[in-house]
Amino acid sequence: EVQLVETGGGLIQPGGSLRLSCAASGLTVNTSFMTWVRQAPGKGLEWVSVIYSGGTTDYADSVKGRFTVSRDNSKNTLYLQMNSLRADDTAVYYCARESSHKRSSYMDVWGKGTTVTVSS
Amino acid sequence: DFQMTQSPSSLSASVGDRITITCRASQSISRFLNWYQQEPGKAPRLLIYAASSLQSGVPSRFSGSGSGTDFTLTISSLQPDDFATYYCQQSYSAPWTFGQGTKVEIK
Repeated sequence: EVQLVETGGGLIQPGGSLRLSCAASGLTVNTSFMTWVRQAPGKGLEWVSVIYSGGTTDYADSVKGRFTVSRDNSKNTLYLQMNSLRADDTAVYYCARESSHKRSSYMDVWGKGTTVTVSS
Repeated sequence: DFQMTQSPSSLSASVGDRITITCRASQSISRFLNWYQQEPGKAPRLLIYAASSLQSGVPSRFSGSGSGTDFTLTISSLQPDDFATYYCQQSYSAPWTFGQGTKVEIK
């Protein structure tokens, strides 16, 4: 069974740092495109970042320079290092696998999410 | 960034009803459009990719159509499990962007 499990969320003060983890089973993170998507309370979905199978990364403008996505192939785990956190980073953070078919990309496997709350 | 606009923002319907949700892109995205379902407190679930391709395991009452800037998601006969929020998402140009969501409620 393909599964993604996020951990690492919690309550953090503004300006603080947090590292989220996404442990994968049934898929290999270093041969997949892996993304982070977040959802602020009562709001819609926002794409945050991606790490491609070759290791290239990309970020939403809202987190560029503050967040870093990485992976540990030996642990088959994806990470999101979040620095200089702000109140508007408060959200449920989901990791997802991005698959493709004939140039169409889509997120077909999702974790259950981990909640990050930035507040003093 | 490509803006995605869904309508309506919410709708009320009964079990057995046929419903249609519309998604409009700010520029042409060909057929690079996906649909997701999200039940309260749960992760999104992929329903449709590439505008009209049904994801494996998704019931056939779900269908998608459209190209360019205008797309639709249709549920042919609404079931109790279908009361949820639906999001469209474009994968034509990074960064990927989502519509604001359409909440389907029980009438």
